[in-house]
Amino acid sequence: GENVEQHPSTLSVQEGDSAVIKCTYSDSASNYFPWYKQELGKRPQLIIDIRSNVGEKKDQRIAVTLNKTAKHFSLHITETQPEDSAVYFCAAYITGNQFYFGTGTSLTVIP
Amino acid sequence: EAEVAQSPRYKITEKSQAVAFWCDPISGHATLYWYRQILGQGPELLVQFQDESVVDDSQLPKDRFSAERLKGVDSTLKIQPAELGDSAMYLCASSSSGRVNTEAFFGQGTRLTVV
Repeated sequence: GENVEQHPSTLSVQEGDSAVIKCTYSDSASNYFPWYKQELGKRPQLIIDIRSNVGEKKDQRIAVTLNKTAKHFSLHITETQPEDSAVYFCAAYITGNQFYFGTGTSLTVIP
Repeated sequence: EAEVAQSPRYKITEKSQAVAFWCDPISGHATLYWYRQILGQGPELLVQFQDESVVDDSQLPKDRFSAERLKGVDSTLKIQPAELGDSAMYLCASSSSGRVNTEAFFGQGTRLTVV
């Protein structure tokens, strides 16, 4: 099955700096890559996603890039704010299959 | 906005007891997932349903765990007997099926503590 690896496991940045989280996947059939944000005690919520036919997608301060050849995708958060502090999960999905999640990155934005 | 409903939110049970969790997916979502999330880790799939059929239960410890979705709508996950190592967050998610960029919507989860 698919194997998703996520790095780093923890990340601390100063408010206003950028944060980058990287994931790799193993199955070239994966065609959809969502990113979820999970605040303490709350459900994971989708913040951005990308399909395999797109190389980059941006939504305000959040962007995701995908390199299909290298089988990796990254989450970029610019101008970080304290409310960005949470655990972020990447996932890889194959149509008709399941979501395979990374192990999560705990992001702390220091005011 | 439609949400995935789960109950209970919290459950404390003694080891060797039986425990059950309930999930009601977003209306019309044919695909339902049960995930287990241990603190500090990513969600791991236990079982996936497509309508009332099990698509994948390869990671479900079938000697103690069971799951059903009899009418293809809501679902129940049961553990009997519970063990200390079962303490975790149990997340239910649902999605529309068959589309490439189908988003999975998660419920609030049930936090299980086995004592």
